Amino acid sequence: GENVEQHPSTLSVQEGDSAVIKCTYSDSASNYFPWYKQELGKGPQLIIDIRSNVGEKKDQRIAVTLNKTAKHFSLHITETQPEDSAVYFCAASKGRSQGNLIFGKGTKLSVKP
Amino acid sequence: NAGVMQNPRHLVRRRGQEARLRCSPMKGHSHVYWYRQLPEEGLKFMVYLQKENIIDESGMPKERFSAEFPKEGPSILRIQQVVRGDSAAYFCASSRGSQGYNEQFFGPGTRLTVL
Repeated sequence: GENVEQHPSTLSVQEGDSAVIKCTYSDSASNYFPWYKQELGKGPQLIIDIRSNVGEKKDQRIAVTLNKTAKHFSLHITETQPEDSAVYFCAASKGRSQGNLIFGKGTKLSVKP
Repeated sequence: NAGVMQNPRHLVRRRGQEARLRCSPMKGHSHVYWYRQLPEEGLKFMVYLQKENIIDESGMPKERFSAEFPKEGPSILRIQQVVRGDSAAYFCASSRGSQGYNEQFFGPGTRLTVL
């Protein structure tokens, strides 16, 4: 079935450094790729998304890139801050139909002051 | 503008009891999705509903689980005769719907513990 692989599972960086999280997906029909941030005890918060008709999107310190040919997409966080510490999930749409998102298993990011 | 609301936030049930989880979507949203999250795991899709209509229930177990989104009131995820393996966090998300691919916004979740 459809699958999303996410790496690394844990990531520790110093404050001010960059963090990169990578995901690959298996369904070539997927056309929507959101990223969520989840803090302890809370629901996932949408932080950025990208659609298959663009290769890169940026929002302040956060950027996402998409390589459709290779079926992988990445999250880049620059100038990390302690409040960026959380679990980050990538997801891919199941085909082109609206609805079902397939999630990666998450990356626990720790930013050390 | 209130976000997605879920209640209860925590629910404890004994084996064999029923669990009812409620979700009120964001204002203006007509699509609701339910996901389950086990500890240290990602979210697994369960069911996608519009008002009075189940669009996709491919992720929901065939037995004991049911979901509805009535014309009036919140969406309900119902788990009958709960077992210990049902212990998890259940998240609801909503989207605006209609054309294109719409962002899904998540509620705070209901943490179900089965004793």
